[in-house]
Amino acid sequence: NAGVTQTPKFQVLKTGQSMTLQCAQDMNHEYMSWYRQDPGMGLRLIHYSVGAGITDQGEVPNGYNVSRSTTEDFPLRLLSAAPSQTSVYFCASSYAGQVEPYEQYFGPGTRLTVT
Amino acid sequence: AQSVTQLDSQVPVFEEAPVELRCNYSSSVSVYLFWYVQYPNQGLQLLLKYLSGSTLVKGINGFEAEFNKSQTSFHLRKPSVHISDTAEYFCAVRGPGGYQKVTFGIGTKLQVIP
Repeated sequence: NAGVTQTPKFQVLKTGQSMTLQCAQDMNHEYMSWYRQDPGMGLRLIHYSVGAGITDQGEVPNGYNVSRSTTEDFPLRLLSAAPSQTSVYFCASSYAGQVEPYEQYFGPGTRLTVT
Repeated sequence: AQSVTQLDSQVPVFEEAPVELRCNYSSSVSVYLFWYVQYPNQGLQLLLKYLSGSTLVKGINGFEAEFNKSQTSFHLRKPSVHISDTAEYFCAVRGPGGYQKVTFGIGTKLQVIP
């Protein structure tokens, strides 16, 4: 199993440009999420999905869109990049445990710089 | 609402010395607790988790954590650290029942000094 994969690893954007960060998992996990990691702030949840066709907002969703058309893929779209979106982005997936929470598996991250 | 406080942003420790990384949480309901580790330029991976039962939880790489409900703490410990333990450690909390969001602490950077 490849686990959780993310592309690209690095990206530089100009203010106002749009792009899509790709995330895929091959573990048949129902739950997928996107986090951003900033120094001194830990990981903050951007958007998450509990299954194909179902998405919801996390704590910092502004400026980002997601969709989940398949179980495997969960792309994150930046609509109009801003310098405040400079960050490291992590995708994670897990089984959606109804009783016992399952661990999240994280991708290697995408380091995004917006100039 | 739930929250996590990691009291130390950086912890330097000499190789083979013991270490404790502190984590306190706040929640109005019972919670599940996790410790994740992030090695440089990598994603996070699970070290250990507390779901229920014994309050002393053993994880990978010789780490363990103790759940203390009265003090709302979940401190991570290792009796003897190695250079390879240099990493950032995140405490996380999740509420019970169905799907619940996970809240992460801001992280503690452990620097092991040779």
